Formats: sequence, structure tokens, C-alpha cells
Amino acid sequence: DTGVSQDPRHKITKRGQNVTFRCDPISEHNRLYWYRQTLGQGPEFLTYFQNEAQLEKSRLLSDRFSAERPKGSFSTLEIQRTEQGDSAMYLCASSQGIGNEQFFGPGTRLTVL
Amino acid sequence: AQKITQTQPGMFVQEKEAVTLDCTYDTSDPSYGLFWYKQPSSGEMIFLIYQGSYDQQNATEGRYSLNFQKARKSANLVISASQLGDSAMYFCAMRGNQAGTALIFGKGTTLSVSS
Repeated sequence: DTGVSQDPRHKITKRGQNVTFRCDPISEHNRLYWYRQTLGQGPEFLTYFQNEAQLEKSRLLSDRFSAERPKGSFSTLEIQRTEQGDSAMYLCASSQGIGNEQFFGPGTRLTVL
Repeated sequence: AQKITQTQPGMFVQEKEAVTLDCTYDTSDPSYGLFWYKQPSSGEMIFLIYQGSYDQQNATEGRYSLNFQKARKSANLVISASQLGDSAMYFCAMRGNQAGTALIFGKGTTLSVSS
């Protein structure tokens, strides 16, 4: 399978716990994006990387959120001290270059109790 | 600020009929891209079609075509000969030309195809 993969697919956690999600992009893609999607809404941009450099962060990305992409390959998104409002689908996408379409992974659905 | 508006929360169509999903956008960028994605109940976002702001021809991909009217700032998706498998959420999205190439999505339209 050469598509974007995400792990885990589902995560249930208690408020206040830390969680980490992983995204493996399509191997030759140099750009990687994280989005958040809440019920009934379209995805909202969180952050993106070009290779290992994090080039932009949305205002949605509070200081409890951190993302990394070591060596420009897979990426992790960590949420510290989770809140119920963090419950959402977290989508990862990758692309090659600037203008081309972004290919999305299956998402990680987070539920914070 | 860039914005995508999808005014149809839900659309219902019968198999083999054509359907148009509306999308209007707002941007001050002279160069931009418009995308349509399909999201089935499984949750995965599936890329359908792309239109660049300078493209002279409307984009087509199989049963999908994009009715691009630049002056009206609209980028409607037309699905010809609907199939049951087309039932899903459809999102219109835009990529601007300023720093950062994140996609800005609309709220989506739910398409239901019946037999």
C-alpha cells in the first residue's frame, strides 16, 4: 500500500492525558499537513511541513499541541493535557510540491472523555 | 481572507441522474487552485478534481466535471450518471498563493443517491 497511513485509527482517552498520533506520508512526498475535522464541518488546517521544517502553524494549534517530522519522513502530532474540545478526527495529508493535490490518510478519531 | 461557501447541506438524487453541487469562493489572490474531495462514511478524503485559476478549460475527470465561472467565483461540481456509491459528503476546497499552501475547506454537502 503506497497511500498515506495513520496510526492509531481510533483513540479514546481521559481528559488531562497526553496522546500522540503518527502519520506516514507517501514516500516521495516532501510536504505533510495536519488537519482537524469536527462533526459536520470541513477539515481545518493545523500545520504543515516541507521536509523536516515546520513552515506554518494555524492559530488552532495551541501550545498544548506539538508536531514533529524528524528526517522529513513520518510525522507525529502530540496533544498534551487533552480537553473534551479536542475530540475530533485528525487528518494527515501529503503532497509533492506546492500546487499538486493533497492525498489524505484515513484519519485518527480522538475521543476525550 | 479566503473562504469557501457550500450552501447545500444535503442533496438527493436518483441513480443515473446528474447532480450539481454548489461551491462559491472568496479570495484576493490572483492565482489559486480549487479542489473537490469526497468523504464516504469511512472517513477518508478522496481527491476528485482540480481546477487552476488560470486554466482556460473546465476540468473533467471521468464522471466528474468542474463548472468554473471565475467572474462569479463559483466552482460547482457536476456528477453525471450518479451511482449508489456516490453517496458521501463532498467538500470544496481552495489553495491560495500566499505563504502556506494549506487547503481551506467548505462545510460540505451530503449527497444521497437512491435506486
